Amino acid sequence: EAGVAQSPRYKIIEKRQSVAFWCNPISGHATLYWYQQILGQGPKLLIQFQNNGVVDDSQLPKDRFSAERLKGVDSTLKIQPAKLEDSAVYLCASSSVRYTDTQYFGPGTRLTVL
Amino acid sequence: AQSVSQHNHHVILSEAASLELGCNYSYGGTVNLFWYVQYPGQHLQLLLKYFSGDPLVKGIKGFEAEFIKSKFSFNLRKPSVQWSDTAEYFCAVNAMNYGGSQGNLIFGKGTKLSVKP
Repeated sequence: EAGVAQSPRYKIIEKRQSVAFWCNPISGHATLYWYQQILGQGPKLLIQFQNNGVVDDSQLPKDRFSAERLKGVDSTLKIQPAKLEDSAVYLCASSSVRYTDTQYFGPGTRLTVL
Repeated sequence: AQSVSQHNHHVILSEAASLELGCNYSYGGTVNLFWYVQYPGQHLQLLLKYFSGDPLVKGIKGFEAEFIKSKFSFNLRKPSVQWSDTAEYFCAVNAMNYGGSQGNLIFGKGTKLSVKP
């Protein structure tokens, strides 16, 4: 079974630039999550999708971050404009059922904002 | 707000030593509990999980964890560590029916384990 795929693996940008990350979840998984992991911290949920609808985006900085999940499969997370404090690893995870099922994580995208 | 505390930032052990990593959470209701591991250069993967039933949970690679509800704890243990256990370990809690969180995972800050050969 293929795992969660993410691209790119690394990205370096300057502040005020924009960046986008892509995630392809495990086939058949209805729920998709985006997490931000700052160095020395555990992952923090940014947004959760159930199929192509947003379930929880309460911790997403909506003035600069946006995410979509078209057709209930792939998802993109965008930052525009980026700030220095956005430097982090952005993790995508998927699970088949909310609440009770295991979340499977992708390798992450390491973003450096200069 | 709910939170997860992992007591040790960095633990250094010799091979064959016993391991216990602490995890406490702050939520009085029903919880699902997880330990994830991240080996160097690899992505987060599930080590073990507790949803209900026997509070002593066994996971992969000889790891186990015990849920003690009265102490709000879910400590991870292994009787004899190996060099290959060198990794970062994250405790995570999914609080059922908690306010507006919709049961999302809350992670601790992680504990780095270094095992000396």
